[in-house]
Amino acid sequence: DIVLTQSPDFQSVTPKEIVTITCRASQSIGSNLHWYQQKPEESPKLLIKFASQSISGVPSRFSGSGFGTDFTLTINSLEAEDAAVYFCHQTTSLPYTFGQGTKLEIK
Amino acid sequence: QVQLVESGGGSVNPGGSVRLSCAASGLFFPAYYMSWVRQTPGKGLQWVANISQTGTDTSYTESVRGRFTISRDNGRNLLFLHLASLRVEDTAVYYCATEHWGALDNWGQGTLVTVSS
Repeated sequence: DIVLTQSPDFQSVTPKEIVTITCRASQSIGSNLHWYQQKPEESPKLLIKFASQSISGVPSRFSGSGFGTDFTLTINSLEAEDAAVYFCHQTTSLPYTFGQGTKLEIK
Repeated sequence: QVQLVESGGGSVNPGGSVRLSCAASGLFFPAYYMSWVRQTPGKGLQWVANISQTGTDTSYTESVRGRFTISRDNGRNLLFLHLASLRVEDTAVYYCATEHWGALDNWGQGTLVTVSS
């Protein structure tokens, strides 16, 4: 199975900061990497697909980059509502796998 | 607006079985691959199974293969997951999701399955 390792596990940040979350795959997955946001008591929500493709309705401050084994989710000008857990997810090969999650706390 | 609503969760004894349902609306259901994903506090998100648009192709994660069965009824816009030979470690919130080339673009609210004696 492909293992996805996110860093950091936890980050405490202030509003308007720029946040970067990384996801490293145990083998090359091309651009088959997606990012999700999960707020407390809610189901995950797709933020970015195929490493860098934006999703309709998602604020433009969220962006993604990367290819192969190293990927980054960037949140520009963080807002209080961005407090959540963020997951990466690969769909290059079955079983699909997820990263362990990065919890973002807003100070 | 796409809506996915899971049901059927509850408390089950180890070795027991349960069938989860996912009712889809706001989309042309037969056009979508569908997935089940589960979430536990300790293990995070785990993809469980998926099924092709017509139901002819199914895939499972190794730990549930032979015990869980994914199926669908396109006439009623329903997705199912039959869980059998349940183990304590199957305790989780189970989500259904639409799949677009692998990306899970719509999720239900989840249904909790608790396996305990």
